[in-house]
Amino acid sequence: DGGITQSPKYLFRKEGQNVTLSCEQNLNHDAMYWYRQDPGQGLRLIYYSQIVNDFQKGDIAEGYSVSREKKESFPLTVTSAQKNPTAFYLCASSPCAGCEQYFGPGTRLTVT
Amino acid sequence: AQSVSQHNHHVILSEAASLELGCNYSYGGTVNLFWYVQYPGQHLQLLLKYFSGDPLVKGIKGFEAEFIKSKFSFNLRKPSVQWSDTAEYFCAVESGAGSYQLTFGKGTKLSVIP
Repeated sequence: DGGITQSPKYLFRKEGQNVTLSCEQNLNHDAMYWYRQDPGQGLRLIYYSQIVNDFQKGDIAEGYSVSREKKESFPLTVTSAQKNPTAFYLCASSPCAGCEQYFGPGTRLTVT
Repeated sequence: AQSVSQHNHHVILSEAASLELGCNYSYGGTVNLFWYVQYPGQHLQLLLKYFSGDPLVKGIKGFEAEFIKSKFSFNLRKPSVQWSDTAEYFCAVESGAGSYQLTFGKGTKLSVIP
């Protein structure tokens, strides 16, 4: 089955710890994205990558970092500098600029 | 910066009622427009999209949307909702040719009462 996988589904961390969220796609899409979804806030773009070894900041990149070493993988690290990390994180991919984005099932991160 | 407004936070309808969810955006140039839906416990998925051509676009499950350029609007409609349409609906806009960025509205929760 083609699609996007995110792991784990639920993640718990203590404040002050960095945590890495996994996102893998087998759709052969060039572009990948990370969004944060908070209740009543919609989806806000954290980072996106148009191609391997290249990525750009989105609207709320502070406190996050990414890498894109392989086409199929786009991990997101939530660092201790992120002031309010508890949220639902969605990964997406698309085959081209302006194309439909395909979303993964999400990871719910809770930091206490 | 581009902004997308969805007028209703929560809409409650009885089955068979008609639905219209509003979406307005701020960008004045060429745009690609999307409606996504998130059913309870499921992935966010595409409902319909507009790139060019006929401003009335049809999507899955009987949904349609009309692009009105002069009003910067892309409202979602369905003539008769079903209980299974209960979900959260997001309008999204991709502005500028070759842009990879989508700007999402804050979403509208639709609750359909049997």
